Amino acid sequence: VQLVEHGGGLVKPGGSLRLSCATSGFPLSSYTMNWVRQVPGKGLEFVSSIDSESSFQYAADSVKGRFTISRDNAKNSVYLHMDRLRVEDTAIYYCARDGVRGFGEVFTLWGQGTLVIVSS
Amino acid sequence: QLVLTQSPSASASRGASVKLTCILSSEHRDYIIAWHQQKPGKGPTFLMKLNSDGSHTKGDGVPDRFSGSSSGAERYLTISSLQSDDEADYYCQTWATGIRVFGGGTKLTVL
Repeated sequence: VQLVEHGGGLVKPGGSLRLSCATSGFPLSSYTMNWVRQVPGKGLEFVSSIDSESSFQYAADSVKGRFTISRDNAKNSVYLHMDRLRVEDTAIYYCARDGVRGFGEVFTLWGQGTLVIVSS
Repeated sequence: QLVLTQSPSASASRGASVKLTCILSSEHRDYIIAWHQQKPGKGPTFLMKLNSDGSHTKGDGVPDRFSGSSSGAERYLTISSLQSDDEADYYCQTWATGIRVFGGGTKLTVL
């Protein structure tokens, strides 16, 4: 059972990047999935969530209108498309899974993270 | 506004016990939270879900040394028989419709 993030790297301000989260060991179609970020040395910040059927997506105010979460259950993958990136988006981005339906919206599985650096 | 408040740091000696606190904003005192552990250079790991009545559900493989309790708007994580490996950042987390909220985290030092 694991989550593995890919796609981080160095990008210029105003640029775009797509992160992916490869899932394994559990039925992705049964779980709400999330992205959380962390500026190195700082705390955790919720970025975005998507329910199991892609019916609902939520985003933090800091990324609303710039970041889009999506998923492909058939490919066991979750994505975060980031547009109009800013220097303050520099962070480690973690993929995180909710608990089973009814358990509550707490993160019960985390990936190891991928680093995004926004700099000119 | 849904807010979780944690002390920035805590310390205790190896073999001792430590109790970390997460305080919910007063109007959200009945909320369920989760505790997560993050060791240096690693992603977080889920420790437990903690209800307002103190009942809790731990993640797979979480040692019995980790327990949770609640009192009013306060949620606690107690770690007994501290080991050097418990030195980490500990975050509480909760949710409201459409958002997830984290406390600022407590850095635990094992002396």
